[in-house]
Amino acid sequence: SFVLTQPPSVSVAPGQTARISCGGNESGSKTVHWYQQKSGQAPILVVYDDRDRPSGIPERFSGSTSGSTATLTISEVEAGDEADYYCQVWDSSRDHVVFGGGTKLTV
Amino acid sequence: EVQLVESGGGLIHPGKSLRLSCAASGFVFDDFAMHWVRQVPGKGLEWVSGISWNGGNIDYADSVRGRFTISRDNAKNSVYLQMNSLSVEDTAFYYCAKDKLDDWGSYFDYWGQGILVTVSS
Repeated sequence: SFVLTQPPSVSVAPGQTARISCGGNESGSKTVHWYQQKSGQAPILVVYDDRDRPSGIPERFSGSTSGSTATLTISEVEAGDEADYYCQVWDSSRDHVVFGGGTKLTV
Repeated sequence: EVQLVESGGGLIHPGKSLRLSCAASGFVFDDFAMHWVRQVPGKGLEWVSGISWNGGNIDYADSVRGRFTISRDNAKNSVYLQMNSLSVEDTAFYYCAKDKLDDWGSYFDYWGQGILVTVSS
């Protein structure tokens, strides 16, 4: 089955740039989406279709892909960005949604 | 404003059944697929089940297949999750989530606040 691998944790100082990777275990590209989940809250969508941002999400959040790895980049990190971040794809071979294991961003 | 409100959670004994409901508002409910996603406290997100706009396409995670049943009532703008033969491993927050598409294959643009299901003797 398709597996998405994320680093368990990333730590950055305020004002720096955070990069969170999401690697797939199979060749071929899949469209990647990213969610932010702050402590005690429901997830919210921060990037969809690899690189697009929903309305209301700051431009500091951006997505990119290279081969089978997607990256969520958060520039000029703020204390309020501290959260868990999850990548997600659609595994069309099984008709299933797949989440990465999540990355805890510490600011 | 899109709202998804889950209900029906609580404490339940192993082997018993529970039915979760999700009431939707703020969008044309029968235009979109809906999903249930769960999260064991302190752990990651796990997709549980999804249902297309008309109920014609349904699927489940392997961990719940044969025990859980998803359904929807478009007249009531609601989606349900019938959970049978519950085990302690099913203890989690359960989130209702709206798909971007009528049949799934994309992402979740809105989530409910989640409801806790605790399976314990």
